[in-house]
Amino acid sequence: SQKIEQNSEALNIQEGKTATLTCNYTNYSPAYLQWYRQDPGRGPVFLLLIRENEKEKRKERLKVTFDTTLKQSLFHITASQPADSATYLCAGPDRGSTLGRLYFGRGTQLTVWP
Amino acid sequence: EAGVAQSPRYKIIEKRQSVAFWCNPISGHATLYWYQQILGQGPKLLIQFQNNGVVDDSQLPKDRFSAERLKGVDSTLKIQPAKLEDSAVYLCASSSASGGYEQYFGPGTRLTVT
Repeated sequence: SQKIEQNSEALNIQEGKTATLTCNYTNYSPAYLQWYRQDPGRGPVFLLLIRENEKEKRKERLKVTFDTTLKQSLFHITASQPADSATYLCAGPDRGSTLGRLYFGRGTQLTVWP
Repeated sequence: EAGVAQSPRYKIIEKRQSVAFWCNPISGHATLYWYQQILGQGPKLLIQFQNNGVVDDSQLPKDRFSAERLKGVDSTLKIQPAKLEDSAVYLCASSSASGGYEQYFGPGTRLTVT
């Protein structure tokens, strides 16, 4: 079955460092991947979308890569701040559907300490 | 622009009771989604509407869950009868088009079944 996997449940880094989160996909090739941020008690908030033919996409301090050979997307936050602490979710669409169904990973909880 | 509204925010019921959740999507968004998010996991799609029609309910436990979207705007999700394993956060999301577009999530309803 199609899967989106985020194997790191938690990542703790010091303020100012670059956080790198990993998302792997198995048993299919998603046309794109999305990254969302989720704070406690809130719904996910969309951050970035990267398509399979795009190697890299940037938005302010965020950078996402898409490696179809490794079947992996990396999500980077440069110059991390305590306010970046949250759970980050990776999501990919059902390749066999034009209906927009998304499969979400379990998320990686990022903690940035001062 | 107003975000996705959901109510109630919290609900505690006993097993075998019924419960209903309400969602008002962003104005003009044709696609509406209901997700179930169990603690420590990513959101799992339960049902997707395009206007007032169901386009994907393959993951909806139809023996106990039902959903409707009258007039293509508001939506309700009902559980009857509830089981202990239904304890989760129920998220509503909307998007302006199906396939490849960001989804806007509401704050969710946290359901506890005792």
